[in-house]
Amino acid sequence: NAGVTQTPKFRVLKTGQSMTLLCAQDMNHEYMYWYRQDPGMGLRLIHYSVGEGTTAKGEVPDGYNVSRLKKQNFLLGLESAAPSQTSVYFCASSLHREETQYFGPGTRLLVL
Amino acid sequence: GENVEQHPSTLSVQEGDSAVIKCTYSDSASNYFPWYKQELGKRPQLIIDIRSNVGEKKDQRIAVTLNKTAKHFSLHITETQPEDSAVYFCAANPWGNQGGKLIFGQGTELSVKP
Repeated sequence: NAGVTQTPKFRVLKTGQSMTLLCAQDMNHEYMYWYRQDPGMGLRLIHYSVGEGTTAKGEVPDGYNVSRLKKQNFLLGLESAAPSQTSVYFCASSLHREETQYFGPGTRLLVL
Repeated sequence: GENVEQHPSTLSVQEGDSAVIKCTYSDSASNYFPWYKQELGKRPQLIIDIRSNVGEKKDQRIAVTLNKTAKHFSLHITETQPEDSAVYFCAANPWGNQGGKLIFGQGTELSVKP
């Protein structure tokens, strides 16, 4: 039981490049979330999903897209990376809403 | 809009003292208030949560209180130990049961000095 895993752990991008971050959970959780963490700003919700095939916008969705084609996976895409997207990205999952969110180890992204 | 404010941003205490972190929220429909602890370089982990049908909840040295009228909730850590040093985040669920997401506070960096 690996819990929540994220791929990759670290990535450097040039402005304008695209990439996809992968989040996987093996706990059969319905809800999945993508957050970004920046110094002094806490955890800000980018997008989330309340079940397979569904997605919804969070607090800071601009510049990101997501997909939840399989229940266990939640993908975060950056179509054209900008330096403002330099951050640590955390994925999380929960069995239902208002339940414990289990976080992945994080992905550190640097956009030059 | 939906907002969670957390204070203080940094807190330094002596080992054995108590620490209190306070949060206010804006959406009166919120009914779930978790607290997460994040050690340096690690992922956030839930330490305690409280729902709107209770005013206080305790788990050993940690307690959380909720005042729904004033829309604020607090984390209390007693007999602090060096391993309590971490960043603590409060959160609330806007839209209550219609939601599915959490809004987090900005975080409090707690330092416990031996």
